[in-house]
Amino acid sequence: GAGVSQSPSNKVTEKGKDVELRCDPISGHTALYWYRQSLGQGLEFLIYFQGNSAPDKSGLPSDRFSAERTGGSVSTLTIQRTQQEDSAVYLCASSSRDQLAYEQYFGPGTRLTVT
Amino acid sequence: AQTVTQSQPEMSVQEAETVTLSCTYDTSESNYYLFWYKQPPSRQMILVIRQEAYKQQNATENRFSVNFQKAAKSFSLKISDSQLGDTAMYFCAFMKFGGTYKYIFGTGTRLKVLA
Repeated sequence: GAGVSQSPSNKVTEKGKDVELRCDPISGHTALYWYRQSLGQGLEFLIYFQGNSAPDKSGLPSDRFSAERTGGSVSTLTIQRTQQEDSAVYLCASSSRDQLAYEQYFGPGTRLTVT
Repeated sequence: AQTVTQSQPEMSVQEAETVTLSCTYDTSESNYYLFWYKQPPSRQMILVIRQEAYKQQNATENRFSVNFQKAAKSFSLKISDSQLGDTAMYFCAFMKFGGTYKYIFGTGTRLKVLA
């Protein structure tokens, strides 16, 4: 089937505006992750959803960041009052607990630029 | 807390040669997985190889193999017969078994295969 998709692929926004980033995981995958990748840095964990359990929000850098996952499928990452330091590539990944190897399948990412 | 260190920001190798990318990690956990992911210039991250910590045998996938030294907390990736398509960012990742199953990523090594 289709892989993980993300939209938009690129987003340019003005400082102070809100943005929404979307992730469509692989069908049937119960786990969904958001990561942030800054230039020259590794991937930074943001938030994790697993089925109907409460999400692990321990990686969200501030209360300007939030995410939801509707119907156990599509997820939206929202950044309010964007700042220039929010500029990065935001990656979404999904995985299936049925896979003992715990491989994560990544989307192509959304490149966010805050001007 | 777990940390993952990749001490080689950039490397290059001649086509058909062998190259080794290094990764060290720090953890007090005994049950975990280690991964190498590849991110080509198009950005989509894909799994290269995985290693379960309880397995002493080093994982291999075609031209890719690892040298897993659990006591030394070292997990290097060897690419044999390098090909132009191996040009990418390579990320080492640690995942603790249980809980969120989130990855802790290193900062990556940019590998360029030269013709």
